[in-house]
Amino acid sequence: GAVVSQHPSRVICKSGTSVKIECRSLDFQATTMFWYRQFPKKSLMLMATSNEGSKATYEQGVEKDKFLINHASLTLSTLTVTSAHPEDSSFYICSARDFSGAAMNTEAFFGQGTRLTVV
Amino acid sequence: GENVEQHPSTLSVQEGDSAVIKCTYSDSASNYFPWYKQELGKRPQLIIDIRSNVGEKKDQRIAVTLNKTAKHFSLHITETQPEDSAVYFCAARLGISSGSARQLTFGSGTQLTVLP
Repeated sequence: GAVVSQHPSRVICKSGTSVKIECRSLDFQATTMFWYRQFPKKSLMLMATSNEGSKATYEQGVEKDKFLINHASLTLSTLTVTSAHPEDSSFYICSARDFSGAAMNTEAFFGQGTRLTVV
Repeated sequence: GENVEQHPSTLSVQEGDSAVIKCTYSDSASNYFPWYKQELGKRPQLIIDIRSNVGEKKDQRIAVTLNKTAKHFSLHITETQPEDSAVYFCAARLGISSGSARQLTFGSGTQLTVLP
């Protein structure tokens, strides 16, 4: 199946600094990618939909100025957590779908996830 | 928007027994229903999916059933093994006619423990 690569897998940063997380589709083009946040023992909550060449669409309650999303190419989307605070500590995970096939309904492939710890 | 509810939140079974996890969805426009298995600290992995034009799908020990009228779908794992222990998530996605980016809406997850 298609491969989505996410980096870094773990990051520890100081409070007040910014952290950038990359999500790459390795063998397909992804015009749309999705960013999720997952708290321990909880479900994946959609944060935003990243659209190549246009602004991201954020879910209600997600601060767009805090979670900056850039989707500058068909294979790369980045999520930057700005001025991180301890409450931003979480597991962030991206996903993408390959629309190149004949079927419009295709599975979503997930990145490895990024464990962010803000100290 | 779509709302997906999943039960139970935890499930323990003896090795060799069957496990059933159930989900309901709210939007009748949803037409794709995947199930993911997630091990601790790892990415969700698709284990089976079903589209709305099918009522049942089976892949070895795993099966999924869909009842469109009742808007619920279930995951069935037979002959469970300790390596089946993980968190399982159901999800639903709206059809193309919805005009949205069609992201997945996830259930709350089920922690399955298979006891040896």
